Amino acid sequence: DAKTTQPPSMDCAEGRAANLPCNHSTISGNEYVYWYRQIHSQGPQYIIHGLKNNETNEMASLIITEDRKSSTLILPHATLRDTAVYYCIVHNYGQNFVFGPGTRLSVLP
Amino acid sequence: GAVVSQHPSWVICKSGTSVKIECRSLDFQATTMFWYRQFPKQSLMLMATSNEGSKATYEQGVEKDKFLINHASLTLSTLTVTSAHPEDSSFYICSAEEGTRNTDTQYFGPGTRLTVL
Repeated sequence: DAKTTQPPSMDCAEGRAANLPCNHSTISGNEYVYWYRQIHSQGPQYIIHGLKNNETNEMASLIITEDRKSSTLILPHATLRDTAVYYCIVHNYGQNFVFGPGTRLSVLP
Repeated sequence: GAVVSQHPSWVICKSGTSVKIECRSLDFQATTMFWYRQFPKQSLMLMATSNEGSKATYEQGVEKDKFLINHASLTLSTLTVTSAHPEDSSFYICSAEEGTRNTDTQYFGPGTRLTVL
């Protein structure tokens, strides 16, 4: 079973920041928070992952709360091509990735 | 980096025939690859874990004699759907584990859409 809770859908205006929340209140100390996204009819695309510290790469930023019970994926300047289903996954090294229903992000012109 | 390809991207076959799907890691070696299945409007479901040079590990409810997995090299895994039936029509996605830097991030292929008539 997925260990995360995400809103089923969100809208964001093109050019604005998209902030996607994820709750993972039962996360354990050595579990990472991973984010993937899936554009329609494609395989999932890795975005970012983190353990405790905030992380940033060329695609997004990941903000993890100090108690690690929730996180936020930030797409700083959303474009129409960012429309996708975003999956937040709590993952322990060596375990399977379990995909929940994710958040369907619609970037609107 | 970390690119995974799948071939074919889509296939249509008649009921009772077998279909082979290839998954390749293009710029890294993958000791472990995974096969997922995704039905319309649903999330990805893991079917099996494929380790190079050994037998695959199947998830509960997945028939190993129907979904044959071969992982003969560090860059190639194949999934063969034997005696396909319409209920096997689905989106099949592979992933490869890039096991460096003490993480096991999975990188996914673009998927193969199988339609069985």
